[in-house]
Amino acid sequence: AQTVTQSQPEMSVQEAETVTLSCTYDTSESNYYLFWYKQPPSRQMILVIRQEAYKQQNATENRFSVNFQKAAKSFSLKISDSQLGDTAMYFCAFDGGSQGNLIFGKGTKLSVKP
Amino acid sequence: AAGVIQSPRHLIKEKRETATLKCYPIPRHDTVYWYQQGPGQDPQFLISFYEKMQSDKGSIPDRFSAQQFSDYHSELNMSSLELGDSALYFCASSSETKGAVQFFGPGTRLTVL
Repeated sequence: AQTVTQSQPEMSVQEAETVTLSCTYDTSESNYYLFWYKQPPSRQMILVIRQEAYKQQNATENRFSVNFQKAAKSFSLKISDSQLGDTAMYFCAFDGGSQGNLIFGKGTKLSVKP
Repeated sequence: AAGVIQSPRHLIKEKRETATLKCYPIPRHDTVYWYQQGPGQDPQFLISFYEKMQSDKGSIPDRFSAQQFSDYHSELNMSSLELGDSALYFCASSSETKGAVQFFGPGTRLTVL
């Protein structure tokens, strides 16, 4: 069974600094997709970034980038120049099934402090 | 841009009652997913539909059923509600299946008293 593990239940960072959120996963598949979703206090689920496993290049979206290590089954999220609006729960998610449902990690609660 | 619409946004029911949650996917999206997020939990996959047919089933109780209609909207029907069914229910839609980005609706917060 595929599993997703986020080992940091809570993290905090000062505004304008950089923070890295960790995620590891377990799968026997070779073709899959990984996502980071953000859930602010409004509880809306917002896509942050997507990575295709067959692409070696790490995905980047503005201040958000990932470090994808396929052999190590690691998928960390780096947030640069942290902003107060980045305060949220961050979920790592795996899509490896033939039907595409997401498997989520337990989440990391990130607090950005002024 | 149009987003996923869910109704109602909030719902309060008594134990043993029934509830119907509705989801309207992004136009031209043919796949709908339902997730349940309990308090302090991560979202758990319930069920999905592709082109009006059930495509996958997760940890959905037998008391729950769902379908996707000809206009691609979907409904989640929940019967014999229990206190443990209190949760945030998300609908997500995508244009493909494997690997496509799932866009989430705002969720329906169900409270069972």
